Amino acid sequence: TQLLEQSPQFLSIQEGENLTVYCNSSSVFSSLQWYRQEPGEGPVLLVTVVTGGEVKKLKRLTFQFGDARKDSSLHITAAQPGDTGLYLCAALQGGSEKLVFGKGTKLTVNP
Amino acid sequence: KAGVTQTPRYLIKTRGQQVTLSCSPISGHRSVSWYQQTPGQGLQFLFEYFSETQRNKGNFPGRFSGRQFSNSRSEMNVSTLELGDSALYLCASSLAETGSYEQYFGPGTRLTVT
Repeated sequence: TQLLEQSPQFLSIQEGENLTVYCNSSSVFSSLQWYRQEPGEGPVLLVTVVTGGEVKKLKRLTFQFGDARKDSSLHITAAQPGDTGLYLCAALQGGSEKLVFGKGTKLTVNP
Repeated sequence: KAGVTQTPRYLIKTRGQQVTLSCSPISGHRSVSWYQQTPGQGLQFLFEYFSETQRNKGNFPGRFSGRQFSNSRSEMNVSTLELGDSALYLCASSLAETGSYEQYFGPGTRLTVT
């Protein structure tokens, strides 16, 4: 079973700071998804990256898929309290149609 | 379009009882997946249904079962509840038949087993 390792596990920062969270694996993926989950709610899809080296931007969020399609990063510029949540990466398990999730990075942005 | 809905939102059961959770997918989505989320294990895949057939299954005991109806609505059943079954159960729908596995999640059912 391939694993998606996310780091850091917890991150607490002040409003206005920049941050990067990571999603790594030893396996190659055809695509990778990022979700954000707020307390008491289900995860919400932020982006899907497909091509090695691809960079996608969503307002202050920048997502990058590694050249070898084994890793991904999420960079947030000028974090705001509304960015607080659990950030999850997910990818299809090799040879199946099962979506595997990392354990997530719990981000807290303090005002 | 209405999102994925799950009922009930909260449930308290006793060890040994059984429970049924319900999920209504986004209109037009024929794939419904179920996940268990706990602080220790994170989000774990339970099973996926597509056109009333179980298409994929995770590594959970047979006490966990599900089904999908012709209108794509799905139910999940857990029998002989154990304390360790306390978790947030999430349902997600997707347009899996197009090759997209992007999941649209409901708010979840918080199950507490005492």
